Amino acid sequence: GQNIDQPTEMTATEGAIVQINCTYQTSGFNGLFWYQQHAGEAPTFLSYNVLDGLEEKGRFSSFLSRSKGYSYLLLKELQMKDSASYLCAVKDSNYQLIWGAGTKLIIKP
Amino acid sequence: SQTIHQWPATLVQPVGSPLSLECTVEGTSNPNLYWYRQAAGRGLQLLFYSVGIGQISSEVPQNLSASRPQDRQFILSSKKLLLSDSGFYLCAWSESSEYSPLHFGNGTRLTVT
Repeated sequence: GQNIDQPTEMTATEGAIVQINCTYQTSGFNGLFWYQQHAGEAPTFLSYNVLDGLEEKGRFSSFLSRSKGYSYLLLKELQMKDSASYLCAVKDSNYQLIWGAGTKLIIKP
Repeated sequence: SQTIHQWPATLVQPVGSPLSLECTVEGTSNPNLYWYRQAAGRGLQLLFYSVGIGQISSEVPQNLSASRPQDRQFILSSKKLLLSDSGFYLCAWSESSEYSPLHFGNGTRLTVT
């Protein structure tokens, strides 16, 4: 079957750096997406990786290793507003999105 | 720029009543459209997706149905709601490119009592 694993919850301190990991086992690969979802709100698109390596967007970076079936989302200079769930999703060989259950990130002052 | 509208934001309905949730997209043509459901603390479950007018693919057998009467309009319906239909319903769109990300509406919080 197809599977995406993320930690259920992580805690970090304001101003620090946190890395949220995502491992996947899917039938084929056509890209990996990261979304941010604040409590009670809809997910918003953060980043997309289809080739190996690091994609940087301001304080957020996303890394992909296709051979290892692994990605991470790196958040720098954490702010209280970064408290949210972070969803990892992979497009399989049929271009269907497979979603992880999300990682709830708690930021403490 | 493209925008997606979804309504209502919240809904409380009794068991056995009908349901109609509507979603419209502006600023793009021939988008792919999706309905997802998210149970509390759970991941996103794809319910329906559409690549064109009148073309609906169902991912999960249930008492829900979807329709796409116009290019940028997507409707989620039920004739008789069940308690298990409670959840957070999200409409989303993407460009027709296989590599395009999904963009979500604000969601509808449905409580079936």
